[in-house]
Amino acid sequence: AQRVTQPEKLLSVFKGAPVELKCNYSYSGSPELFWYVQYSRQRLQLLLRHISRESIKGFTADLNKGETSFHLKKPFAQEEDSAMYYCALKGAQKLVFGQGTRLTINP
Amino acid sequence: GAVVSQHPSWVICKSGTSVKIECRSLDFQATTMFWYRQFPKQSLMLMATSNEGSKATYEQGVEKDKFLINHASLTLSTLTVTSAHPEDSSFYICSASTTASSTDTQYFGPGTRLTVL
Repeated sequence: AQRVTQPEKLLSVFKGAPVELKCNYSYSGSPELFWYVQYSRQRLQLLLRHISRESIKGFTADLNKGETSFHLKKPFAQEEDSAMYYCALKGAQKLVFGQGTRLTINP
Repeated sequence: GAVVSQHPSWVICKSGTSVKIECRSLDFQATTMFWYRQFPKQSLMLMATSNEGSKATYEQGVEKDKFLINHASLTLSTLTVTSAHPEDSSFYICSASTTASSTDTQYFGPGTRLTVL
């Protein structure tokens, strides 16, 4: 079975501080992991995917198969990063989403 | 590019009536569309996968006779909630992918909020 766990429903940090949103997954096969973001009153959009190994808006995420994790990180948070973040796993042809973490960046 | 629209954005209906929600890919052809349901403060739950020209594949626990999905063209999929009840009230989101295997990025619509009185 596919499962994605985001342990933090809410995360609040100050502007300029480092940010780490946690994501753990459970899947018996070879997973594809994604981070999606939803800004206030906007639709869900892809932030990054592990196979791309790229940095988007300063965010990076490394797939750790040993720890079955795909944590999202940014060294210096900005106010515009405030949003809802969803980790997702694509296994057997479908995306399974975590519960989401609401990130608030305080000025 | 890769814009997905949904119509209507919100709808209120009486219990027992049926409601149709449209999902359109505006600038690309979507061989696969997905329908999700999101309860307040909860995650997105996949309801069904819709492939153009074929029957939708429903997730376990989703009633196919209640949630009718039609994917008649490469740019349009519809979800009809039949004989709606208050427990069907939710936020329904569609997404579209450009490949049949859905390995490409899914582009999400803005969602439709359904309230059943």
